[in-house]
Amino acid sequence: DIQMTQSPSSLSASVGDRVTITCRASQSISNFLNWYHQKPGKAPKLLIYAASSLRSGVPSRFSGSGSGTEFTLTISSLQPEDFATYYCQQSYSTPMHTFGQGTKLEIK
Amino acid sequence: EVQLLESGGGLVQPGGSLRLSCAASGFTFSSYAMRWVRQAPGKGLQWVSVISNSGGSTYYADSVKGRFTISRDNSENTLYLQMNSLRAEDTAVYYCARDRSFDSSGYYYVGNDYWGQGTLVTVSS
Repeated sequence: DIQMTQSPSSLSASVGDRVTITCRASQSISNFLNWYHQKPGKAPKLLIYAASSLRSGVPSRFSGSGSGTEFTLTISSLQPEDFATYYCQQSYSTPMHTFGQGTKLEIK
Repeated sequence: EVQLLESGGGLVQPGGSLRLSCAASGFTFSSYAMRWVRQAPGKGLQWVSVISNSGGSTYYADSVKGRFTISRDNSENTLYLQMNSLRAEDTAVYYCARDRSFDSSGYYYVGNDYWGQGTLVTVSS
């Protein structure tokens, strides 16, 4: 199985900050990488697919980059509704799409 | 509007069985692969099982292989997960999710664009 590792596991930031979350794959996955966020008690929501393609309706302050084994999710200016847990997911080894362990983004 | 509504969760003793359902509406159910993803309390997301749009192909995580069975009824727009020989470590919120193929630069990328609200399965004596 392809292992996905996110860093950091948790992050404190303020409204308006720029933040970056990293996801590393145990082998090359090209750009078959998705990003989700999840708020407490709610289902995850898809933000980005193909490493850098923004899902329709997702604010442009979210961006993704990377290929191969290293990927990043950047939020350019944090909004109050962005405080959540973020997960990466590989879709290279289809259909066994494994997730990273999550990064909890908290208000400083 | 796309909706996925899980049901069937609850408290079950170790070794017991449970059947989860996911009722789909608002889209052509038979056109999409579907999957179950679970989340243990305070933990991350883990894919459990996937079924092709026709139901002809199924896949399982090693942790549930031989104990869980995924199926679907395209005439009833419903996805199922039969869970047998349940263990304490199966305790989790179980989500159903739709697999959507996104076209980008001539390639197809699969992501889970719609999820249900989740149903809690607790395995405990």
